[in-house]
Amino acid sequence: NAGVIQTPRHKVTGKGQEATLWCEPISGHSAVFWYRQTIVQGLEFLTYFRNQAPIDDSGMPKERFSAQMPNQSHSTLKIQSTQPQDSAVYLCASSLGNYAEQFFGPGTRLTVL
Amino acid sequence: QQKVQQSPESLIVPEGAMTSLNCTFSDSASQYFAWYRQHSGKAPKALMSIFSNGEKEEGRFTIHLNKASLHFSLHIRDSQPSDSALYLCAVSGNTGYQNFYFGKGTSLTVIP
Repeated sequence: NAGVIQTPRHKVTGKGQEATLWCEPISGHSAVFWYRQTIVQGLEFLTYFRNQAPIDDSGMPKERFSAQMPNQSHSTLKIQSTQPQDSAVYLCASSLGNYAEQFFGPGTRLTVL
Repeated sequence: QQKVQQSPESLIVPEGAMTSLNCTFSDSASQYFAWYRQHSGKAPKALMSIFSNGEKEEGRFTIHLNKASLHFSLHIRDSQPSDSALYLCAVSGNTGYQNFYFGKGTSLTVIP
């Protein structure tokens, strides 16, 4: 099992450009989570899918961030009009079900110049 | 929304010492509590978890949960240099959803 796969590992965008981050969860896991990690804010919850359905997006900055899970094998996080404050490591995690261990991917380091 | 705070922010201990990490949370209705460990440049990885009040021990690691006092802790016996990492406390929301709220972490350094 390859674990959670995230691509790209590093992404550099200019201010105002769009960034799309990809996540492939562990096969058979029903829940997919997106988090953002910075030194200042720590690890912040963004959004969560269960069986591909969006369940909770309370952590998402509403205006420029969106997430989708079009099939059980991948999820995307899209950031429109990126800003320097969006610079962070974006982590995707998946789990088997209720209150199960979350397995994290290696993350995508986004740098907005 | 659940508020999770960890203390101390950083800790340096000698090899062989007992290490204690603390976590406080804001909502006692949460169902699930876990500690994750993140080595430098790596992804967080689950260490231990607990559902109900009390204590749980696995090898050199022990966790304590007291929901009434909104306190959760991790104790590491005979700390090793390989334990050096960022330790993250995770608390579930109170709505039955599976997402975690994490503290900012305690950076542990174990000196040989």
